[in-house]
Amino acid sequence: EPEVTQTPSHQVTQMGQEVILRCVPISNHLYFYWYRQILGQKVEFLVSFYNNEISEKSEIFDDQFSVERPDGSNFTLKIRSTKLEDSAMYFCASSEALSSVQHFGDGTRLSIL
Amino acid sequence: AQTVTQSQPEMSVQEAETVTLSCTYDTSESNYYLFWYKQPPSRQMILVIRQEAYKQQNATENRFSVNFQKAAKSFSLKISDSQLGDTAMYFCAFWGSARQLTFGSGTQLTVLP
Repeated sequence: EPEVTQTPSHQVTQMGQEVILRCVPISNHLYFYWYRQILGQKVEFLVSFYNNEISEKSEIFDDQFSVERPDGSNFTLKIRSTKLEDSAMYFCASSEALSSVQHFGDGTRLSIL
Repeated sequence: AQTVTQSQPEMSVQEAETVTLSCTYDTSESNYYLFWYKQPPSRQMILVIRQEAYKQQNATENRFSVNFQKAAKSFSLKISDSQLGDTAMYFCAFWGSARQLTFGSGTQLTVLP
């Protein structure tokens, strides 16, 4: 069964550095999403992406964050200048259509030192 | 904004028994979707079951079924004949006009041998 894949599984970065999290959505899916889960807290929506532009974004998704689909397969989340509070598990998801089931990747654990 | 509440942080059940996980939500919308996702220790969130709010019939997927009470805004998950592989964190989630999944805080279910 097709899967959403995320790399790396764990990223350790110094505060203030840029980090890029990578995701390969399921190939025939058109909608892409990023969520994050701070340790011990709820999974929170960050952003959705369709047709090469952001569809929706939450208050968390400020100017430090950006998303991109640089080619036909990858979907990336960039954090420009990381802060300690960015430490979390970041999940990528994709879906065929807007209200279709979202399929999640394994997540990237981001640790900011 | 929608909220999703899971009031049981942890539950346990004996293998082969039945367990019910609770979820309530708050919304003023009439058309929406509700989901239960399972997150085993391997971390990937997997869809368990989906319910469309306009359908009165409760969704069923093998050993998993829901009790959807629209007026009460309740969406509980029943797992019959529990198996050791059902041990996981279970998240209830809401999808509505904001076009983003809103998650509950999760219930850690442990199936005991």
